[in-house]
Amino acid sequence: RKEVEQDPGPFNVPEGATVAFNCTYSNSASQSFFWYRQDCRKEPKLLMSVYSSGNEDGRFTAQLNRASQYISLLIRDSKLSDSATYLCVVNRAGTYKYIFGTGTRLKVLA
Amino acid sequence: SQTIHQWPATLVQPVGSPLSLECTVEGTSNPNLYWYRQAAGRGLQLLFYSVGIGQISSEVPQNLSASRPQDRQFILSSKKLLLSDSGFYLCAWSARQMTSGSVYNEQFFGPGTRLTVL
Repeated sequence: RKEVEQDPGPFNVPEGATVAFNCTYSNSASQSFFWYRQDCRKEPKLLMSVYSSGNEDGRFTAQLNRASQYISLLIRDSKLSDSATYLCVVNRAGTYKYIFGTGTRLKVLA
Repeated sequence: SQTIHQWPATLVQPVGSPLSLECTVEGTSNPNLYWYRQAAGRGLQLLFYSVGIGQISSEVPQNLSASRPQDRQFILSSKKLLLSDSGFYLCAWSARQMTSGSVYNEQFFGPGTRLTVL
């Protein structure tokens, strides 16, 4: 079993739709959680860190469920420019390593 | 503000040739540095990371090596490239992590080097 798992998608949604991605992690010692966005043939860029209490940044909301060991990303009012691959990343406590999921591909359709 | 540079942006090399990719970080001190590889359509594979000058941790045994000659410089090398070394090589940095407490040390990536081995 992979340490971080994501549904690869693609998720095809119309503009204006709300879409949610989940990511599960297997190591309960995981401490820090992040969502990155990666455009085709580009480097991953940090979208947001995921805090224990959940956090929101504009149209994006991230949640952490430690009991069930998953994090989620909700995108409201999808834009064409949101089309990308969304990477879930986990950092294990006491280590310097970041574990990446393989990503969920989102396509927002006009 | 911090910036991370990688070069070259693209590289086409014959099988058996050597490789040297360089990464430098500006605007921070004592960063943790990382090399990742992303094969076409695949996830990120951690190759090496370093928490200080001269300190290298290898994640995947293969024909690649890394060095950190200066605090903000990280180099990825190979003596003889294989076809399977083709991919998108990404350098990243994060602030030095505390081993306890709630610390969110985000990781930031350079623009990457796209390597094709023929």
